[in-house]
Amino acid sequence: DVKVTQSSRYLVKRTGEKVFLECVQDMDHENMFWYRQDPGLGLRLIYFSYDVKMKEKGDIPEGYSVSREKKERFSLILESASTNQTSMYLCASSIPALGGRSSPLHFGNGTRLTVT
Amino acid sequence: GNSVTQMEGPVTLSEEAFLTINCTYTATGYPSLFWYVQYPGEGLQLLLKATKADDKGSNKGFEATYRKETTSFHLEKGSVQVSDSAVYFCALYYQGAQKLVFGQGTRLTINP
Repeated sequence: DVKVTQSSRYLVKRTGEKVFLECVQDMDHENMFWYRQDPGLGLRLIYFSYDVKMKEKGDIPEGYSVSREKKERFSLILESASTNQTSMYLCASSIPALGGRSSPLHFGNGTRLTVT
Repeated sequence: GNSVTQMEGPVTLSEEAFLTINCTYTATGYPSLFWYVQYPGEGLQLLLKATKADDKGSNKGFEATYRKETTSFHLEKGSVQVSDSAVYFCALYYQGAQKLVFGQGTRLTINP
């Protein structure tokens, strides 16, 4: 089974801190994604990556950056945490879509971040 | 643009009741459609999918049919169990986007 591991389950940080959320997958997937999940808003894509050192902005990239130095690891960085970034963050991975068909996303269990 | 709209929750049913969670979409072209489920304390996992019009996806007693004429992909189950309590997300993938677009999620609670 594919395993996507997020380093922290719960995290509490102060406003203005730099925050790193780490995600590791063990199935050699090319694609990796960071979503945030908020009640009533569903999942919104922050950033995604097709390959090592490649990144693409999602729908809500402001206030975030990412790093993908190794294929198995995709880090989300909050440069200066703010209270409106309090949320559940979900990492996912997949193989590339082929022939126009999406391949399933495999999700980690999430990191619940609270910024005070 | 491309978007997904789900019926608002939360939904509360008794065990063995019939379940429908509505999902409609707006998309250009011919998207693929998905239902994901999130059990308490876990990430999302794929429940079922359909890749073209009139396809029916099914898994664990759940079904959904891709209806292009009504742009819908409603999730149904004939007899729900307490273990089906979770949050359900409808999602679409459109070719060339390399990403999924999710609905807002519907929380389902099944009482014994």
